[in-house]
Order: sequence, then C-alpha cells, then structure tokens
Amino acid sequence: GQNIDQPTEMTATEGAIVQINCTYQTSGFNGLFWYQQHAGEAPTFLSYNVLDGLEEKGRFSSFLSRSKGYSYLLLKELQMKDSASYLCAVRNGMGSGGGADGLTFGKGTHLIIQP
Amino acid sequence: DVKVTQSSRYLVKRTGEKVFLECVQDMDHENMFWYRQDPGLGLRLIYFSYDVKMKEKGDIPEGYSVSREKKERFSLILESASTNQTSMYLCASSAARQGSNQPQHFGDGTRLSIL
Repeated sequence: GQNIDQPTEMTATEGAIVQINCTYQTSGFNGLFWYQQHAGEAPTFLSYNVLDGLEEKGRFSSFLSRSKGYSYLLLKELQMKDSASYLCAVRNGMGSGGGADGLTFGKGTHLIIQP
Repeated sequence: DVKVTQSSRYLVKRTGEKVFLECVQDMDHENMFWYRQDPGLGLRLIYFSYDVKMKEKGDIPEGYSVSREKKERFSLILESASTNQTSMYLCASSAARQGSNQPQHFGDGTRLSIL
C-alpha cells in the first residue's frame, strides 16, 4: 500500500526557520516532490529529490533518506507569503516510465507564519 | 511558462447528470493527470494518460472515465454524477523524459458541486 505522513499544521515566526517532515511507505519509489499550495490556488512545484542528500534552492531546501523513507522541507528567512500548505508527494515508478505515473500525495502541512 | 487551463472554475450540477471537466495544456506534454482534492484526504489520483488515446486508472477511478483524443486535451467524465463526487478537481501535465525529474504542473482547479 501507499502511506505518506506529514504534520497537519505548523506555526512559525517571520524571519525564522521551519522544517516540515514527511515519512513514506510506498510500494515503489522513483522520486519525491514538494509542492506549495496557497488557499484556493493550484499547487506549485518546489523541489525534487531522487537520491539521498540535500537539494538547495534559494530559501528552500529539501532532504531525502531513502533507507529511512524520510524527507524534510526546510524554509529559511520565513516571510508572511510563505503561509500556505506544503504537500509531500512520492512517484512510485510503477508506470511505463518517462514520469507517466501519478503521484501519491500526503495530506499536506498547513504552515502559519506569525509576525 | 507552462499553462494548464481548466474550462470552469466553479460548476454546479445535479445528481444523475453526465458531467464533463475539460483540461488543456499548451506545452506539448505527453503526460496528463486528473486528481481530486478533499479536506482531510489530500490529493488523490483518479486517472492519467501518457499518450493520445491511452489511459491508466489511478487510485480512485470508480465513477469516472476519461478521454484523450488530442495530445493537449484531457477530459474527465462523470457518467452519472453523485453527491459524493462533490470536490475540487485538479488537472496536471508533465513532460515525458526517462530518468528525469519532470514535475507535474497543475491547473487552477474546478470546484464541482453535485446537488
């Protein structure tokens, strides 16, 4: 089966750092994605990990440990506009290849930034 | 920029009606996907397609069908709408490239209410 867990809600302070964790148990693994979704809007792509280690992209970093089935998204220098839901998603790689298999999403973490 | 366009932002239909949700992408992507998003359940994959006239069931295909007659267009069909199909529907597309981190790009969603 497929199971992806992430905290339902987190609160952080403007200017601080926050880490959003994601654990997964899936029947296959071909990459992990993080998306940001503001209320009433489409999810937008943030990062992708397929190998163990840290991927850094500006204020956002994402880490993966395949042996532990674990990832985290790190947000630095938090801004009010970072208030959103953050979605962890796994591509299980069971499809025909070329990315033509859907993603299994966690339920999302609602991040609240306080002044 | 990738543009995924869903034909309606809001839609209200009656139980038993046949409902069509349309999605068009302008980036010549091979892969297209339909998800539904519900509070407390996150995004769940309904159907996807990796080529014209090809379709694959996702995690929750029951009560739905799809059509992909042209590469840029992917339609979701509710043959006989029921109230439990009231939801936010999200379309996505991605490029097909073996072993590459091609993210899915999402449309703005259609909020469908079945009365």
